[in-house]
Amino acid sequence: GENVEQHPSTLSVQEGDSAVIKCTYSDSASNYFPWYKQELGKRPQLIIDIRSNVGEKKDQRIAVTLNKTAKHFSLHITETQPEDSAVYFCVRGGLGVTGGGNKLTFGTGTQLKVEL
Amino acid sequence: DAMVIQNPRYQVTQFGKPVTLSCSQTLNHNVMYWYQQKSSQAPKLLFHYYDKDFNNEADTPDNFQSRRPNTSFCFLDIRSPGLGDAAMYLCATTPAASGRGTDTQYFGPGTRLTVL
Repeated sequence: GENVEQHPSTLSVQEGDSAVIKCTYSDSASNYFPWYKQELGKRPQLIIDIRSNVGEKKDQRIAVTLNKTAKHFSLHITETQPEDSAVYFCVRGGLGVTGGGNKLTFGTGTQLKVEL
Repeated sequence: DAMVIQNPRYQVTQFGKPVTLSCSQTLNHNVMYWYQQKSSQAPKLLFHYYDKDFNNEADTPDNFQSRRPNTSFCFLDIRSPGLGDAAMYLCATTPAASGRGTDTQYFGPGTRLTVL
């Protein structure tokens, strides 16, 4: 099917430590994998994305890896800070309908808490 | 500058009283989406428009309808809101420029619907 499994559902780390969130998907046609951060009561914000032609992408303290063969992808946050505390969603995307327009399927979310 | 605008930000309605939520975008994107996000859950796609073509998700209740009178605006109509429809409703857009389903989706701030 199109489901995305995401683990863990909650994650507590000490400030300065790393955080890793892992996701798996089943639809081999998926070719776009964004990660969204959502603070309480706010919109999902894109923090990084990766497309299926690359295996890794990094942006400052955030990195994503993609293994298309195994159908899993991960988010790595290094040197975590209190402002990193939020819900993180992994997402799989790809063509949703004929003619264009991608369709996103969200994972179940990970509540990340960075403790002082 | 705001790119995806949703009005109102907070909406209170009575059980069974029709309500309309509004989304507008200044990005001239082809595709507009409506998501429902209940507390502590991931956003769930209700339907989307690719230009004027409406694409409904199979499990979206008939109680939910949408209109897109022009490129900039898209409306979500809930014909007879029930208590279970209380949620955050998120609008998103994407340009569909790649034709491969790999374009970024941009979310609006959401409308939080309360049903009394």
